[in-house]
Amino acid sequence: SQTIHQWPATLVQPVGSPLSLECTVEGTSNPNLYWYRQAAGRGLQLLFYSVGIGQISSEVPQNLSASRPQDRQFILSSKKLLLSDSGFYLCAWGTFEAFFGQGTRLTVV
Amino acid sequence: DQQVKQNSPSLSVQEGRISILNCDYTNSMFDYFLWYKKYPAEGPTFLISISSIKDKNEDGRFTVFLNKSAKHLSLHIVPSQPGDSAVYFCAASAKTGANNLFFGTGTRLTVIP
Repeated sequence: SQTIHQWPATLVQPVGSPLSLECTVEGTSNPNLYWYRQAAGRGLQLLFYSVGIGQISSEVPQNLSASRPQDRQFILSSKKLLLSDSGFYLCAWGTFEAFFGQGTRLTVV
Repeated sequence: DQQVKQNSPSLSVQEGRISILNCDYTNSMFDYFLWYKKYPAEGPTFLISISSIKDKNEDGRFTVFLNKSAKHLSLHIVPSQPGDSAVYFCAASAKTGANNLFFGTGTRLTVIP
């Protein structure tokens, strides 16, 4: 069966610091991968999706970037975090439905 | 602009009764609809879906109804159980593919024992 791992579970970072969140998927090859964010009081917002290694589509202009260095690895990064980057970040895989990881609670202070 | 709306941020229901969660959408091109359930500090889990060619889909205690003319869908849970207490997200897609999922803001369901 397919499993998705995302870490860390919680993260507190100062404004201006870099960010790296990692996500890996097991049990499937060439999955579509996604990064979502849930901000307080808002729905899940798609940030990036990838249909293959090195292929990244950005949905929302922001202070973040994504990379897919390996087939089942998806990384969300930022060079300098802003307060507005705080939120709950979710990695997901899937084609028609999205299957989510456990999420990372990011607090920028 | 929120294309998928869940206007009730919270709902409380007695155990054993029916829970009805509502969702409205504005994009008439949406043709696939999903419900997700989310516990605190966890990722959402897929619950049930419905294609626009149907008006009802049932899976155990969960039934999703779609009213295309009203651009409205609802999730019925019967009988409700305390373990159903969670946040429920409605999602919609204009094409087949999770990269086109638009999510609502969620409804927090509390089932009271």
